[in-house]
Amino acid sequence: QVQLQESGPGLVKPSQTLSLTCTVSGGYIRYDSSYWGWIRQPAAKGLEWIGRIYSHGSTHYNPSLKSRVTMSIDTSKNEVSLTLTSVTAADTAVYYCAREPLMGDFDYWGPGILVTVSS
Amino acid sequence: SSELTQDPAVSVALGQTVRITCKGDTLRSYSASWYQQKPGQAPIFVLYGKNNRPSGIPDRFSGSTSGNTASLTITGAQAEDEADYYCNSRDNSGNHLLFGGGTQLTVL
Repeated sequence: QVQLQESGPGLVKPSQTLSLTCTVSGGYIRYDSSYWGWIRQPAAKGLEWIGRIYSHGSTHYNPSLKSRVTMSIDTSKNEVSLTLTSVTAADTAVYYCAREPLMGDFDYWGPGILVTVSS
Repeated sequence: SSELTQDPAVSVALGQTVRITCKGDTLRSYSASWYQQKPGQAPIFVLYGKNNRPSGIPDRFSGSTSGNTASLTITGAQAEDEADYYCNSRDNSGNHLLFGGGTQLTVL
């Protein structure tokens, strides 16, 4: 069974860069034809799609975040990474990574990681 | 602009049937997927495609689409179905995703 685990700093200062890693276990990214996505959720609010990356490296980003988001994939480490630059308090949220075998179908999710943007 | 609209809150009596809807123009072209989320937990994938349930999802969950509206129906709601439900689908570009604002389901 595929498992995902987000990791990274829980606190980031305004204007700095948020960097998160999603480690995949129970399967190999390089042999999985799925996309790997990031979704975030501010406290007491709904889900927001951040973007996705394919194992070959192609990406799609939410147009509202595109100028600040970069995703990468390291198949040797079975990891997917997210960076979000120039963060503000509005970027405070629980960040989830998820496997996306077909667009929009997130079948496995990580438990999420709370990232707070504050000085 | 593309968006998906859900009712903020819906309630249902225990054992009764409830329908949760998701409205958006892109649903005329792309199917919706549905997620259940309980407090403090990651979402769970409960429906996809025309009416497909991932493994482990009870058959009381079903889905349908008509025009610009996708629906998740719970037939015989149980106490454990009390949760937030989110739909998602592609936007007009076909490559980006939208999530609905979520529906809080209360089982009375």
